[in-house]
Amino acid sequence: EVQLVESGGGLVQPGGSLRLSCAASGFTFSSYAMHWVRQAPGKGLEYVSAISSNGGSTYYANSVKGRFTISRDNSKNTLYLQMGSLRAEDMAVYYCCIGYEYDAFDIWGQGTMVTVSS
Amino acid sequence: EIVMTQSPATLSVSPGERATLSCRASQSVSSNLAWYQQKPGQAPRLLIYGASTRATGIPARFSGSGSGTEFTLTISSLQSEDFAVYYCQQYNNWPGTFGQGTKLEIK
Repeated sequence: EVQLVESGGGLVQPGGSLRLSCAASGFTFSSYAMHWVRQAPGKGLEYVSAISSNGGSTYYANSVKGRFTISRDNSKNTLYLQMGSLRAEDMAVYYCCIGYEYDAFDIWGQGTMVTVSS
Repeated sequence: EIVMTQSPATLSVSPGERATLSCRASQSVSSNLAWYQQKPGQAPRLLIYGASTRATGIPARFSGSGSGTEFTLTISSLQSEDFAVYYCQQYNNWPGTFGQGTKLEIK
């Protein structure tokens, strides 16, 4: 079964840092670009970051550029999102996702909640 | 960045009736358009990709149409489990921007 499991969310103070992980299983992780999408409480979906299959290309939304770093370890089948200088507006559920059978995102994790508060 | 605009923000429809949701792109995305359904507390679920192709396991009452900048998701004969929030997403250009969502509620 193709599966994505996020972890690492929690409560962090404004200005703090957090690293999210996304453990992948059931598919050849190193063959797929990986994505992070977030959803603030009661709000819509926001595309955050992406990384190519070999890690050579990355993308960041303007809202997180310079503060977040996406990376992957293909030997561990794991995707990461290092988040720094966190702000209240970064508070959201963070999902990792892939286009497995299709170009659109057909596989999503369950999400991990990041709360930014003092 | 391509901006996706969905309308209406909220749609009230009775069970058994048809629902039509719209999505407009700020520039052409060809047919690289997806629709997702999201229920409270759940991750989004892919319904439609390529503007009109149903993903695996999606009932035939869901259909998508359009190309370029104008797209439609139609749900014929609404079932109770269809009341949710629906998002469109273009994946023609990175980033794969999402619309703001349409909440489909019971009338």
